[in-house]
Amino acid sequence: DAGVTQSPTHLIKTRGQQVTLRCSPISGHKSVSWYQQVLGQGPQFIFQYYEKEERGRGNFPDRFSARQFPNYSSELNVNALLLGDSALYLCASRREQGAETQYFGPGTRLLVL
Amino acid sequence: QQQVKQSPQSLIVQKGGISIINCAYENTAFDYFPWYQQFPGKGPALLIAIRPDVSEKKEGRFTISFNKSAKQFSLHIMDSQPGDSATYFCAVPFYFGTGTSLTVIP
Repeated sequence: DAGVTQSPTHLIKTRGQQVTLRCSPISGHKSVSWYQQVLGQGPQFIFQYYEKEERGRGNFPDRFSARQFPNYSSELNVNALLLGDSALYLCASRREQGAETQYFGPGTRLLVL
Repeated sequence: QQQVKQSPQSLIVQKGGISIINCAYENTAFDYFPWYQQFPGKGPALLIAIRPDVSEKKEGRFTISFNKSAKQFSLHIMDSQPGDSATYFCAVPFYFGTGTSLTVIP
């Protein structure tokens, strides 16, 4: 089975623009979480979605939003990009909301100029 | 927001040596404590995890020691190998530590 896939792999944007990142979970997995990993730091939890509903949110501004589709894929949107949004954005999937093991994708590297 | 403190920030170990990474947390509401391994250009991958009802869990060369009263847990890598060179993160369980960069010298 394919692992978690994310697109695009790399992205360059300018300040003030908007970006949409995409994630496809492992087949059969219903929960998707998003993380931001700034260079040299640990991943920071942004959102968890399960069955198309937001089930958890980290300490991020409202410029960050996400949604999950009926096929369990997910999009992360970031509006009004700031230089500090430059990071690796990771998506992780798990079989159920309460499942302990999560599997990470390779991430999308976002650079904001 | 959960605070997770991880140390050391970096670690250099000789091949065959023991690598030890420590993690301290605040919130006791969680019952699952994983360690992740991340190689450059890759997402984190689950290495080993423990529940707080046991004090130690071993899987091959990797061992987690858990001290519930101290709110600390640690990762021990026995017989460290150059292929173990990576960044290691503890998590509680959505909140990650700052990472430890491990280098194993041949």
